[in-house]
Amino acid sequence: NAGVTQTPKFQVLKTGQSMTLQCAQDMNHNSMYWYRQDPGMGLRLIYYSASEGTTDKGEVPNGYNVSRLNKREFSLRLESAAPSQTSVYFCASSVPGPPNEKLFFGSGTQLSVL
Amino acid sequence: RKEVEQDPGPFNVPEGATVAFNCTYSNSASQSFFWYRQDCRKEPKLLMSVYSSGNEDGRFTAQLNRASQYISLLIRDSKLSDSATYLCVVNPAGTYKYIFGTGTRLKVLA
Repeated sequence: NAGVTQTPKFQVLKTGQSMTLQCAQDMNHNSMYWYRQDPGMGLRLIYYSASEGTTDKGEVPNGYNVSRLNKREFSLRLESAAPSQTSVYFCASSVPGPPNEKLFFGSGTQLSVL
Repeated sequence: RKEVEQDPGPFNVPEGATVAFNCTYSNSASQSFFWYRQDCRKEPKLLMSVYSSGNEDGRFTAQLNRASQYISLLIRDSKLSDSATYLCVVNPAGTYKYIFGTGTRLKVLA
C-alpha cells in the first residue's frame, strides 16, 4: 500500500520555466490537497479538491494551477516559476469526519527556483 | 492575529522530563483539532486527534479548551525519539481548509 506518492522528490528550475508536480493516492480518498512549507511559515494550503471534478483555492494560490485528473491524481502546475516559489511542496489526501479524520501526506518535493 | 498560533520553541528538555505545548486558534467555529509530528525534512504524520475535551494515548495527552480557544499537548517521560517539530492543526467547521500552526520544535537531550 503506497499511500500518497509525489514526484519528483527534488527539482531545480530557472526563473520563468514551468513544471508540474504529480501526486497520486491509492486509498480511494475523495479529498486531496497541495501545501507548501517555508521556514517559519508552517504549511500553507495552495489548492484543494474536495472531490473528483472540483478544485478550490487555498490561502496562497497565486502562481499555481491544479488539475484533479481523476479520483487518484491531483497535479500542481507552476506556469512561470519565480524564486518566491522555492519551497517544499506536500500533497495530501484525507479521510473525512470523526473519529478517523486524518491527513495523509506524500514525502514532499523540494523545489528550488534560481 | 494568525488563525493558529504556536510557540516556535525550541524546547530543550532532558530525557524523562514532562513537556507541554500550547496552541491557540482564532475561529470559534472550529470543530476538528489535531497534533501532527514532523521529523526533519519529512512529511507530517498524525500524532493525535482531539474531538472532545481531551484524548490520551500512552505518554501523550491532548486537551481542548473551547472557551479559551486553545489545545495543548503534554508529553510525559520524554524520549530521545520524541525530538521533532509538533504541528497544531485546526479544521474550521464545514471546510476542507486544514490550518497549520508554524510548529513547536522539541529537542530531548540525553
